[in-house]
Amino acid sequence: GQNIDQPTEMTATEGAIVQINCTYQTSGFNGLFWYQQHAGEAPTFLSYNVLDGLEEKGRFSSFLSRSKGYSYLLLKELQMKDSASYLCAVSPTGTYKYIFGTGTRLKVLA
Amino acid sequence: GAGVSQTPSNKVTEKGKYVELRCDPISGHTALYWYRQSLGQGPEFLIYFQGTGAADDSGLPNDRFFAVRPEGSVSTLKIQRTERGDSAVYLCASSQTGQGVGGYTFGSGTRLTVV
Repeated sequence: GQNIDQPTEMTATEGAIVQINCTYQTSGFNGLFWYQQHAGEAPTFLSYNVLDGLEEKGRFSSFLSRSKGYSYLLLKELQMKDSASYLCAVSPTGTYKYIFGTGTRLKVLA
Repeated sequence: GAGVSQTPSNKVTEKGKYVELRCDPISGHTALYWYRQSLGQGPEFLIYFQGTGAADDSGLPNDRFFAVRPEGSVSTLKIQRTERGDSAVYLCASSQTGQGVGGYTFGSGTRLTVV
């Protein structure tokens, strides 16, 4: 089966950098995804990793190490609007569904 | 349409009643997914459609839950004999194919409350 672990909450200051970690146990997966979800809203797609390494998209980067079962989402130049939950998800091999973690609630303080 | 549309946005029903939740995916998206999300949790997979057929219904919790997509576009999630434990936000998502490489687009969800 799959098990995904993320910290429950994190706090950071506007303008800073924050790293949100995700560890997983799975027998195989098609890819690892990160989604952002503001309170009361739908999740929105941020990034996708299938190979080891860093994927950069503006202020957001995501890293994957398949051998270590580990990913992180890096947010730079934090803004107040980045206060949200960040969901890590894997898509198990042979399926098109996601298994989501419980999400990390990020609070950005002025 | 421009995005994934879900109706109603809120539904309150009495225990034991039947409910239908509707999802209108992005035009041209062949893959459609239903998830449900309880407070403080990540979305939990229910069912995946490729076209008209349910390609994976392994997440449906029991036989009270059923979903259809008769013309390969709009989908309806049907819940019979609702229970208080069914209260959650039901999210629909679509993608152009089933590959999910570019991620899904989620709708805003239907908040179901069973009283």
